[in-house]
Amino acid sequence: QIALKESGPSLVKPTQTLTLTCTFSGFSLNTRGVSVGWIRQPPGKALDWLALIFWNDDKRYSPSLKSRLSITRDTSKNQVVLTMTNMDPVDTATYYCAHKYDSSSGFDSWGQGTLVTVSS
Amino acid sequence: QSVLTQPPSASGTPGQRVTISCSGSSSNIGSNTVNWYQQLPGTAPKLLIYNNDQRPSGVPDRFSGSKSGTSASLGISGLQSEDEADYYCAAWDDSLKGHVLFGGGTRLTVL
Repeated sequence: QIALKESGPSLVKPTQTLTLTCTFSGFSLNTRGVSVGWIRQPPGKALDWLALIFWNDDKRYSPSLKSRLSITRDTSKNQVVLTMTNMDPVDTATYYCAHKYDSSSGFDSWGQGTLVTVSS
Repeated sequence: QSVLTQPPSASGTPGQRVTISCSGSSSNIGSNTVNWYQQLPGTAPKLLIYNNDQRPSGVPDRFSGSKSGTSASLGISGLQSEDEADYYCAAWDDSLKGHVLFGGGTRLTVL
């Protein structure tokens, strides 16, 4: 049974760096083909993909946010960490992490999401 | 603005069939598989269709997916009130070293 859970601050100030952790169980990020992604959703708006880290530590980022994002993994802890620099109120959103088992599959398991508000 | 274009809204009455479209380009839908997600109010998205037309275990066969060229469609037959939700298409895009794209979402209303 795959499970993912996001954790991190619920409130950050403008210009600060956001660090979110996705802790997962039920799979290994060392398994060929597997990846974990981050997706966000501003209130009342559409899903917005942020980043993806693969089983071989390959990484991909949203082209529009690439300069602000970093995704890393700790396979010993079953965690994936997303950092986003220079936070702005427009970054207020629910942030989800999700599992993908190969390149053609979708995100088949999602965390519950964590709401991050950016405000001074 | 999403590169994958969906109609913002769709509607139908119980028992009807509705179709939601997703239009892309050669670098995304034209060369990669399409996935569809259902998001019920206040919940995380759920994978509904993967690899263009495959249903994960537990998804009713009322839901179907298809792809042709640079467009894809989600079909829902025998519409039920619990199908009222937001639906998103998604695909890999080969440009700019590769990235995931989501459509802008379609809100389905069951009248």
